[in-house]
Amino acid sequence: GAGVSQSPSNKVTEKGKDVELRCDPISGHTALYWYRQSLGQGLEFLIYFQGNSAPDKSGLPSDRFSAERTGGSVSTLTIQRTQQEDSAVYLCASSGRGTGISGANVLTFGAGSRLTVL
Amino acid sequence: GENVEQHPSTLSVQEGDSAVIKCTYSDSASNYFPWYKQELGKRPQLIIDIRSNVGEKKDQRIAVTLNKTAKHFSLHITETQPEDSAVYFCAAKGGSARQLTFGSGTQLTVLP
Repeated sequence: GAGVSQSPSNKVTEKGKDVELRCDPISGHTALYWYRQSLGQGLEFLIYFQGNSAPDKSGLPSDRFSAERTGGSVSTLTIQRTQQEDSAVYLCASSGRGTGISGANVLTFGAGSRLTVL
Repeated sequence: GENVEQHPSTLSVQEGDSAVIKCTYSDSASNYFPWYKQELGKRPQLIIDIRSNVGEKKDQRIAVTLNKTAKHFSLHITETQPEDSAVYFCAAKGGSARQLTFGSGTQLTVLP
């Protein structure tokens, strides 16, 4: 697509429920990132996918968080047994090969999925 | 892993004045340093970036400087305008890291 698409844009859930957030990156982009942004805070890295390589999961805050990327395109971030501290905007970004280090590393962000855990 | 610190967290300037935001990084192998701007309620967007083999880069009213020895880089905005009001994030990548590590952000407010 023309940009990075995320769904849902807003999700309100009850504590203890599982949620799935979806990201559809720009067509042809090989790298996909998930970041979390709490209210008024910075961008916290969660997980990174690059082509067929093993994902970098070093930013996932707990084993309640997992993500997968099917067919090298769409990614789903799953949060199990949600807690109130999981409330945040979850941002997905993708990047393509580009030319040179700058082109390959320019992230295009989606609009985010705002998660509220009651 | 990489650690990026950003200062100040908030910055208010009068319209027409300059604004400077500073970041330091920990991994000497980092070689790519972008700056993203996030307007209220919108997604972050790249405004300028610099590679480690360059000391300064300019694009109209914005410029970025890099001091590899000191491991710090700065964003300079001249002749600020109200539409410059936003949160600005610095980031670093390189070495063994495969992802961008972002600073904590600076809320810039340009007062008319």
